[in-house]
Amino acid sequence: GAGVSQSPSNKVTEKGKDVELRCDPISGHTALYWYRQSLGQGLEFLIYFQGNSAPDKSGLPSDRFSAERTGGSVSTLTIQRTQQEDSAVYLCASSNSRGRNNEQFFGPGTRLTVL
Amino acid sequence: GENVEQHPSTLSVQEGDSAVIKCTYSDSASNYFPWYKQELGKRPQLIIDIRSNVGEKKDQRIAVTLNKTAKHFSLHITETQPEDSAVYFCAASNQAGTALIFGKGTTLSVSS
Repeated sequence: GAGVSQSPSNKVTEKGKDVELRCDPISGHTALYWYRQSLGQGLEFLIYFQGNSAPDKSGLPSDRFSAERTGGSVSTLTIQRTQQEDSAVYLCASSNSRGRNNEQFFGPGTRLTVL
Repeated sequence: GENVEQHPSTLSVQEGDSAVIKCTYSDSASNYFPWYKQELGKRPQLIIDIRSNVGEKKDQRIAVTLNKTAKHFSLHITETQPEDSAVYFCAASNQAGTALIFGKGTTLSVSS
């Protein structure tokens, strides 16, 4: 079946502009995660959605970052007033938390470059 | 919050040798420890995971060990092959299905 998809695959923007990144999780997966991967760094947790529960936003680096998940499926990560340090690959993952195996399946990522 | 340290950052081995990557975690409540492999330009993929109720798990050439008392876990790859070359990430969470806290990764290079 289809895996996690993300769009766009690449985004170049100017400092100060807002950007929206989209994630389509695997159908039926109740949990959705956003991570950020900077060059040479690990994957930094940003935000986590689980079903209809309030999201865990503890990883968001500043109030310029926000995310929503509509209808328990598609999610959008929004970065307002982008800064150069926001340049990174933004990865989305989903998992079926109802199952015993809670493997997180990652999307291909969106490479964001802030000029 | 949880903090995961991973060593070494780079590892070079000859084909057929073994490779060991070690991670430590800080939160004693963590009980789920997956390992992900990320090939160049590709997305991370789960290769093996372990829960805190077991000390070791094997899957063909890959094994993971967990020492809860010392709060560290390790990935062991035996009989390495060139296709094992990738970046490996360890992670921890206090419940499978919640957000993962990742180490900074180990770049493994296997030369033939």
